[in-house]
Amino acid sequence: TQLLEQSPQFLSIQEGENLTVYCNSSSVFSSLQWYRQEPGEGPVLLVTVVTGGEVKKLKRLTFQFGDARKDSSLHITAAQPGDTGLYLCAGAGDSNYQLIWGAGTKLIIKP
Amino acid sequence: DSGVTQTPKHLITATGQRVTLRCSPRSGDLSVYWYQQSLDQGLQFLIQYYNGEERAKGNILERFSAQQFPDLHSELNLSSLELGDSALYFCASSSGLAETGELFFGEGSRLTVL
Repeated sequence: TQLLEQSPQFLSIQEGENLTVYCNSSSVFSSLQWYRQEPGEGPVLLVTVVTGGEVKKLKRLTFQFGDARKDSSLHITAAQPGDTGLYLCAGAGDSNYQLIWGAGTKLIIKP
Repeated sequence: DSGVTQTPKHLITATGQRVTLRCSPRSGDLSVYWYQQSLDQGLQFLIQYYNGEERAKGNILERFSAQQFPDLHSELNLSSLELGDSALYFCASSSGLAETGELFFGEGSRLTVL
């Protein structure tokens, strides 16, 4: 059974600080997605990473896919209150048609 | 606005009752997915329909059922409700067959079972 573990489960920091959240597995994924879910909303896709070692940047957010395609990280620089939300990672598993979802990291950025 | 519409937004009901949640996918999307999300937890995949046919099944209880209609809207039926069924239920849609493409989520239906 493929699993994705996200850490930390919860993070509360001050505006302006940097942070990194992780998405780890012992399994290889063909691709990995990161979603952000704001309170009262559905998740919204931020990025999809496909190639081992790939780095993608979205303004202050940097996503990295591990070389072995078993893990991924999301780094936020100079966090802002608007970054508050639940960050979910989801990997394309064996079937390549269905996603394996992590449990999420709840991020709170205090002004 | 994702283009996915879910109704109702909020629903309060009693144990043992039955409810129906409705989802209209984005225009042109053939796949509809249903997920359950308990408080601040990740998403539990329930079921996927593609162009009216059941495509994939996740951890969906036997008390739950779903269908996709010819106009591509979908309904999730939850029966013999228990307290533990209280959760957010999300619908998502995509243009293709695979969940691994981009998913567009609705705002969810919050179900409270008392």
